Amino acid sequence: DAKTTQPTSMDCAEGRAANLPCNHSTISGNEYVYWYRQIHSQGPQYIIHGLKNNETNEMASLIITEDRKSSTLILPHATLRDTAVYYCIVRAVRSGGGADGLTFGKGTHLIIQP
Amino acid sequence: NAGVTQTPKFRILKIGQSMTLQCAQDMNHNYMYWYRQDPGMGLKLIYYSVGAGITDKGEVPNGYNVSRSTTEDFPLRLELAAPSQTSVYFCASSNNALGLAGGGENIQYFGAGTRLSVL
Repeated sequence: DAKTTQPTSMDCAEGRAANLPCNHSTISGNEYVYWYRQIHSQGPQYIIHGLKNNETNEMASLIITEDRKSSTLILPHATLRDTAVYYCIVRAVRSGGGADGLTFGKGTHLIIQP
Repeated sequence: NAGVTQTPKFRILKIGQSMTLQCAQDMNHNYMYWYRQDPGMGLKLIYYSVGAGITDKGEVPNGYNVSRSTTEDFPLRLELAAPSQTSVYFCASSNNALGLAGGGENIQYFGAGTRLSVL
């Protein structure tokens, strides 16, 4: 699976959009981009994933560049509860459904300021 | 919705003791996983299972054992606890829904974790 690079930490004001970047310049054509987050002392929580098109769900939007070498997770109206470590994970499609684990790096510590 | 349930939440062991960390999921997922997370680090995969009766090693399996007798349960066994096994342990499960590329995706759902200290 391709390596990812994320900033160590970021701040964002409450109510503003939080934009979290991720670089995955060695991504292959069959690799998805996943985002998870981990609120302090809790288990990781799935946020969103995509292959090549931009995606949106009730939690966030995922913008993937046309060359797929980077992506941005957008939390449109950040709240204090969004303070967490955010992990960008690139993972290949596995035949048979993908039974092995995810590779978590150190992620980005997002701090929402009141 | 219960999702993935882990017990206990906290445990302190003495060196050489054994224990079983319990994990149960009620989403009828075939795939289950055990990870450990050391302070300030990301998660590392210990073992995983693709279905009842089938398990396989992950990145850091030494010192652990698993079994999968039912779809719902995936216990993790520590036989001779060592200080190096002090960590937070997370269990996860996933299905194998077909994805955008026609292959398998892997959206994992995690439990709340078990915080283990070995002294």
